[in-house]
Amino acid sequence: KNEVEQSPQNLTAQEGEFITINCSYSVGISALHWLQQHPGGGIVSLFMLSSGKKKHGRLIATINIQEKHSSLHITASHPRDSAVYICAVRYRGGADGLTFGKGTHLIIQP
Amino acid sequence: IAGITQAPTSQILAAGRRMTLRCTQDMRHNAMYWYRQDLGLGLRLIHYSNTAGTTGKGEVPDGYSVSRANTDDFPLTLASAVPSQTSVYFCASSDSGQGRTEAFFGQGTRLTVV
Repeated sequence: KNEVEQSPQNLTAQEGEFITINCSYSVGISALHWLQQHPGGGIVSLFMLSSGKKKHGRLIATINIQEKHSSLHITASHPRDSAVYICAVRYRGGADGLTFGKGTHLIIQP
Repeated sequence: IAGITQAPTSQILAAGRRMTLRCTQDMRHNAMYWYRQDLGLGLRLIHYSNTAGTTGKGEVPDGYSVSRANTDDFPLTLASAVPSQTSVYFCASSDSGQGRTEAFFGQGTRLTVV
């Protein structure tokens, strides 16, 4: 079964800290997504990557296709960044749709 | 309507009853998806549709059916609900062209089967 593994599962940090969330997957993909979900809320797409690096505000996402690994970084973290961050991949040649990691629950304390 | 709209937002349903979750998008995306989200299991694909008139099974299709009569609507039907179908259901869409777009999600439907 194709797996998407995220780490850590839970992360508590102080405001201002640099945050890294990791994602690894098992076989070739056509795209990787980073998603954000606030408690009780909907799911918002942060990035879609197929190679390299993307930056949006304080968020940076990188992907290493050879190592089958992606990271999501948050610089100068803020309590409003507290949410669940989900990595999802679209596998090449498989059934359509996304395969998701179980998410990283991030809490930023003031 | 802006983006994807799901209805209802939440529902309590008696076991054995039939229920249709509605999903409508106004972005003219070809591809639409239904996922369920369960604690400890994450999001899993139920059914998908790459274009109007076609549908496919995902990871957990049993007990669910879908239809795609037009581009905008992708309803999910539970023919005879069971308690294991208690979950949060998300509809999503994306452009199914060669350069796929990011995924857009509805706000979710919280379903409790009792």
